[in-house]
Amino acid sequence: GEDVEQSLFLSVREGDSSVINCTYTDSSSTYLYWYKQEPGAGLQLLTYIFSNMDMKQDQRLTVLLNKKDKHLSLRIADTQTGDSAIYFCAETHFGSGNTGKLIFGQGTTLQVKP
Amino acid sequence: SAVISQKPSRDICQRGTSLTIQCQVDSQVTMMFWYRQQPGQSLTLIATANQGSEATYESGFVIDKFPISRPNLTFSTLTVSNMSPEDSSIYLCSVEGGTGYEQYFGPGTRLTVT
Repeated sequence: GEDVEQSLFLSVREGDSSVINCTYTDSSSTYLYWYKQEPGAGLQLLTYIFSNMDMKQDQRLTVLLNKKDKHLSLRIADTQTGDSAIYFCAETHFGSGNTGKLIFGQGTTLQVKP
Repeated sequence: SAVISQKPSRDICQRGTSLTIQCQVDSQVTMMFWYRQQPGQSLTLIATANQGSEATYESGFVIDKFPISRPNLTFSTLTVSNMSPEDSSIYLCSVEGGTGYEQYFGPGTRLTVT
């Protein structure tokens, strides 16, 4: 079945890089996503990557995808206290019988220490 | 990205009552999704709502408990019926973005059932 796993907690110092990891089981995944949820708020789409890509960079964010190992990571450069939040990895596949349903990981709480 | 609003933002309800949550989008969208986020948990898809057709429910969710309306391309409602404390969650609606591969979320409705 479909499953997405993340480590639950990561603590870094302000200015360091953060790397949040995610593994998934569905080999037919076509799009993989990273969402950010701040306390009391909804989900903010940070970035997404198509499964035929290895890497995507967007300002301080770098997404790496290892399709063979079904491993996705999100690197945040120069982490700031405003980056403290829960980060969710999600995957979906588009095709017969699927309408874009997202399967989410449990979320990784990122704590940034000043 | 789509601008999504939800009403109410939060509510405290008594056991056995029902609550209807509204989701409004600032542009016409084909697909709308309703997710549940139980306390400290990840998100789980409840159902997918297309305009003009019956909602499609995920395993473990039924129409009698979570009736959904989708009267037009910018609006949907989710009703949580005959509530129990186990229904205490954040309920989020989401919509597909312009490319069809992005999915944007509303701010959520935080429901507490006493």
